[in-house]
Amino acid sequence: QVQLQQSGPGLVKPSQTLSLTCAISGDSVSSKSATWNWIRQSPSRGLEWLGRTYYRSTWFNDYAVSVKSRITFNPDTSKNQFSLQLSSVTPEDTAVYYCARGGSGWPDWFDPWGQGTLVTVSS
Amino acid sequence: QSALTQPASVSGSPGQSITISCTGTSSDVGGYNYVSWYQQHPGKAPKLMIFDVSNRPSGASNRFSGSKSGNTATLTISGLQVEDEADYYCSSYTSSSTVVFGGGTKLTVL
Repeated sequence: QVQLQQSGPGLVKPSQTLSLTCAISGDSVSSKSATWNWIRQSPSRGLEWLGRTYYRSTWFNDYAVSVKSRITFNPDTSKNQFSLQLSSVTPEDTAVYYCARGGSGWPDWFDPWGQGTLVTVSS
Repeated sequence: QSALTQPASVSGSPGQSITISCTGTSSDVGGYNYVSWYQQHPGKAPKLMIFDVSNRPSGASNRFSGSKSGNTATLTISGLQVEDEADYYCSSYTSSSTVVFGGGTKLTVL
C-alpha cells in the first residue's frame, strides 16, 4: 500500500525558510492518477490545506492563497519524493505539517497522510 | 474561506449511534459532492473515513456512513466502540478550487 515518510527539521528561525520532504513508497510522484499535497495543523488555524503538486505530462502546482507568495513545491522523480519550502516564516507558521496523497481531480480527499512533522518557528 | 462548522464535542455509549454535523455554504458543502471525513487519534495523522459525501475507502469500517442535505453534511457512526473515541474533521472542495476543513469534533465514548 502507499506510504508517505516525512523528514526535515523541527525548528526554524523567524525569517528563514522551512523545508520538508515527503518520500513516497507504493506509488509514483509522477502518477497521473494522484496529486501530492501539503496540509498543516495548528491550534490557532486548525487544519489548513497549503497546496499540491501533480504531473499531467507536465508539472502543475496549486497553492493556497494564504501562503502563495511564500511557498514552493519541488517534485523529485529520481528519489520519488516531493518537498515543501515555505519562506520568511513567522511564529504563526508553527504547526504540524503533513504530506498526503490526493485523487486525480479537484482537491478533494487525502489518503494516506504522512506521519506529520512538528515545526516550531522560534529564535 | 471560513472553516466549516462542526460541534465541538459529542458523546455516546458503546453500541449506540452518533451523528456529527458539518455546516458550510453553497460555495463549498452545498455546491459539490466532495465532502470527506477524517478520524484523528491523539498524536496521529488523520485517517480518511468517508469521501465524496458517502463513499468508504477500503479499510474503513462499515459502521461509518456519510450523507448530505443542502449545506450540511453528516457523519454517522453506528455500533459505537471504545476505539472510535477520537477527533473527527470534515472537509469540502470549494468554489475557489481549494479545500476547507471543519474545526473538528471530539467524540467521547462513555
